Amino acid sequence: EPEVTQTPSHQVTQMGQEVILRCVPISNHLYFYWYRQILGQKVEFLVSFYNNEISEKSEIFDDQFSVERPDGSNFTLKIRSTKLEDSAMYFCASTTIERHRGSGANVLTFGAGSRLTVL
Amino acid sequence: KQEVTQIPAALSVPEGENLVLNCSFTDSAIYNLQWFRQDPGKGLTSLLLIQSSQREQTSGRLNASLDKSSGRSTLYIAASQPGDSATYLCAVRGNTGRRALTFGSGTRLQVQP
Repeated sequence: EPEVTQTPSHQVTQMGQEVILRCVPISNHLYFYWYRQILGQKVEFLVSFYNNEISEKSEIFDDQFSVERPDGSNFTLKIRSTKLEDSAMYFCASTTIERHRGSGANVLTFGAGSRLTVL
Repeated sequence: KQEVTQIPAALSVPEGENLVLNCSFTDSAIYNLQWFRQDPGKGLTSLLLIQSSQREQTSGRLNASLDKSSGRSTLYIAASQPGDSATYLCAVRGNTGRRALTFGSGTRLQVQP
C-alpha cells in the first residue's frame, strides 16, 4: 500500500538552529499538509500546499516556518530558528482531489511523523 | 471556530466487548469527518471517512455514524480485541473557512485480554 515517508524519524537540535523536515508524499497525490502534535496535546494543522503554493495556513505557521516542494517528490518543512516550544511530532499528510466526493477520495494519508526535540 | 470533543478520554474494556466512542463538534458546516487510529509514538492511520451527506460508514468490525445537524459522530467497535488498543482520533473538515482538519483530543482505548 502506498505510504507517506518522513525523515528524520527523530531530530534533536539546539534552540535557535534551523531544522528541515522532509516528506515524500504518495506519488499521485496533489495536496500536501503539515500537522504537529505537542506531547499530550491535540494534533494541530500548520499548512496546506497545492500547485506549488500555500493554500491555507494556521496562526501557528508564522514567519519562522516555510514549506517547499523542491522537486517532484519531496515536500519539506523548514523552521528557521527553533524555539523550545517547537518540540513536537510533525506529521506530513497528502491526499488526491480536494473536493471529489467519490468513495475513498479525500482520505488524508499521514506519515509516521518526525519527532523534533529542541534543547 | 470549530471545536472537536471526544468522550471518554480513556476507556478500558475486556476483550470481546462491543464499544462506542463519541465525538462532537461545534460547527455543523462540515465537509467530512474522519476517524483515525494512533499507536503510541506512531503516525495516524485513517479508519473511516464519512462525507457530510452520508449517515454512516462501515469497515470490518468498525462502524462510524454521523449526525451532522446535532454535531455528533460515533465509532462503534464490535467484538474488541487486544490489537484494537490505541488512541482513536476524530477529525472534521470544514465546508467553509478553514478546510484543514480539526482534531479532537482522542480516546485512549485499552482492550484487556
